[in-house]
Amino acid sequence: SQQGEEDPQALSIQEGENATMNCSYKTSINNLQWYRQNSGRGLVHLILIRSNEREKHSGRLRVTLDTSKKSSSLLITASRAADTASYFCATGYNNNDMRFGAGTRLTVKP
Amino acid sequence: GAGVSQSPRYKVAKRGQDVALRCDPISGHVSLFWYQQALGQGPEFLTYFQNEAQLDKSGLPSDRFFAERPEGSVSTLKIQRTQQEDSAVYLCASSFDRGYGNTIYFGEGSWLTVV
Repeated sequence: SQQGEEDPQALSIQEGENATMNCSYKTSINNLQWYRQNSGRGLVHLILIRSNEREKHSGRLRVTLDTSKKSSSLLITASRAADTASYFCATGYNNNDMRFGAGTRLTVKP
Repeated sequence: GAGVSQSPRYKVAKRGQDVALRCDPISGHVSLFWYQQALGQGPEFLTYFQNEAQLDKSGLPSDRFFAERPEGSVSTLKIQRTQQEDSAVYLCASSFDRGYGNTIYFGEGSWLTVV
């Protein structure tokens, strides 16, 4: 069964705008990871945040984690058409129980 | 190798046919995972190996699904007597160690269509 739930299911924005996606989960975790999947391709790891971290940055990506609310957000700043993809969060206590949500489908219009 | 390699990339099987999907993980990676992804959905966990040991197979949907990793490197996911509901992308992933917080690297997937 899937653990995380991404919100919204779909998001459409103009190039240059920021995109925010949220992930909620149910049980205790050690880490939360965000992945991107282009249509017809495998998943690409974006960023990992540990349960004792609150915020992490990587380039145009900013991830926050609120363990009290069991939620995380992924912010993509200054979006580009190439950011069009599905974004998934994966949560787990150990790597061998990483579970994915249904994803947010982001469309960035040029 | 440079990344996780899966073959075949695309497979069309007739209902009732057996299929075998191969995964070559990144060299030296201890952990190997199989996921099933239906169209428009997120990946669903199938099974997990640590070296040659299959430590978790709780996600395998039926006894028609079988996975092995006999030498702790290459893994094969076998589906017997395929059904139409088996049509999905089968993703293989590997990570360096079993410890939490290791990045999981995914292959491009094997697209299975059962007709």
